[in-house]
Formats: sequence, structure tokens, C-alpha cells
Amino acid sequence: DAGVIQSPRHEVTEMGQEVTLRCKPISGHDYLFWYRQTMMRGLELLIYFNNNVPIDDSGMPEDRFSAKMPNASFSTLKIQPSEPRDSAVYFCASSPTVGAIGQPQHFGDGTRLSIL
Amino acid sequence: AQKITQTQPGMFVQEKEAVTLDCTYDTSDQSYGLFWYKQPSSGEMIFLIYQGSYDEQNATEGRYSLNFQKARKSANLVISASQLGDSAMYFCAVTGFQKLVFGTGTRLLVSP
Repeated sequence: DAGVIQSPRHEVTEMGQEVTLRCKPISGHDYLFWYRQTMMRGLELLIYFNNNVPIDDSGMPEDRFSAKMPNASFSTLKIQPSEPRDSAVYFCASSPTVGAIGQPQHFGDGTRLSIL
Repeated sequence: AQKITQTQPGMFVQEKEAVTLDCTYDTSDQSYGLFWYKQPSSGEMIFLIYQGSYDEQNATEGRYSLNFQKARKSANLVISASQLGDSAMYFCAVTGFQKLVFGTGTRLLVSP
């Protein structure tokens, strides 16, 4: 079975540009999560969706960040305008509904974002 | 709110030896889950093992076992017979319902 698929794997762009990160969760998984990993702050949950509906976006750092999940097989995380401090690895993860507490989240390979 | 503490920033072990990575947690939830993930230098996050708060037996998955001490709120990961490929960052995480809270991680280096 295919795992969580993220694109692009690497993104380098200039400050002020719009950045769009994409994620395809594992088929049948009802929960989708976006994380950011930096050396300073570790792994932070930005937002998560259940059945395409945003449940908790309290981790989204600023209004420059937005996330959507238009259908069960696709989600985007957008940064507009981007800033150098947004440089990080962004992970998408998904998990199924049944036995929620016991189900691990399956992570994509991440997008390494560099804002110059 | 949940919190994970991993006090060992780095650990060294020789190949074929066992190693314990420490993890303590704090949660007000009655029912919760504890997870360990491995992040090799290539960057992906790999799920290793899970322990439920009501599980009476310690979880095991191959060479990985979780030493769960509920009263002490600890969930240490034990890797038996270390291999060179075990060199990586290891993250402990706790969840009440769906949201995972991660610790800062422990970097494990396995030497020949």
C-alpha cells in the first residue's frame, strides 16, 4: 500500500513568495495532520483534519499559514507571504479512525523548505 | 495538556548491546497512548511501537520493547542487540485523542 505522499520533497524560494505544500494521505485514513520540525522547536503540530474538516488549528503560527483539505485524498498547506523563519521540514501524517488512541500516525517523507 | 520529557540528548552504544532510551510523560487524560518513532538521518518518521495506558503487559515489536511504568509515568524504549542501522533520532510521544505531543528526542549512535 502507498504511504503518505508529500510534494515537493524540497523547496527553495525567496522571501515573500507563496509556498504550497501538498499531501496525499493513506486511503481510508480519516485524520490528517500537518507538522513542522525545526531544530529550535522540535516537532510541532500545526493543524489537523477529521473527515476533511479542520478540528484544531491552534498550532498554526500566523495568518500567513493556511491549510485546506478539499477532499479525502488531498490537503495543502500554504504560506503567503513566506519568511526566512518559515524554513523547516514540514510533515504530513494520517491515521485511521478506528481505535483512535491506539492507531499510530503514518508520516510522509516531509518537505524540506528553505526561504532565502 | 500533555507533555513528554526525554532527558538524554545523546546516547552511545556498541553494536549488539542493549540500550534504554528514557521517556517520562505528563497527562491529565485517563486513557492515553504512548508511541515511539525513529527518525534516521534521511529524515522520515518511522513508527516503532505503541503502548496503551490500560495495557497491562509491556509492548514488544521485534527488538523493540517498551518498559511501561504507569505509576512513574515513564515509557522507556529498550532496543536489544543494537545494529548500526539503529543510529537515528528517537522520539517519544503521548496522545489523549489523536493529537500527538512529541518529546525533544534522543540521538542514538551505534558504534561497531
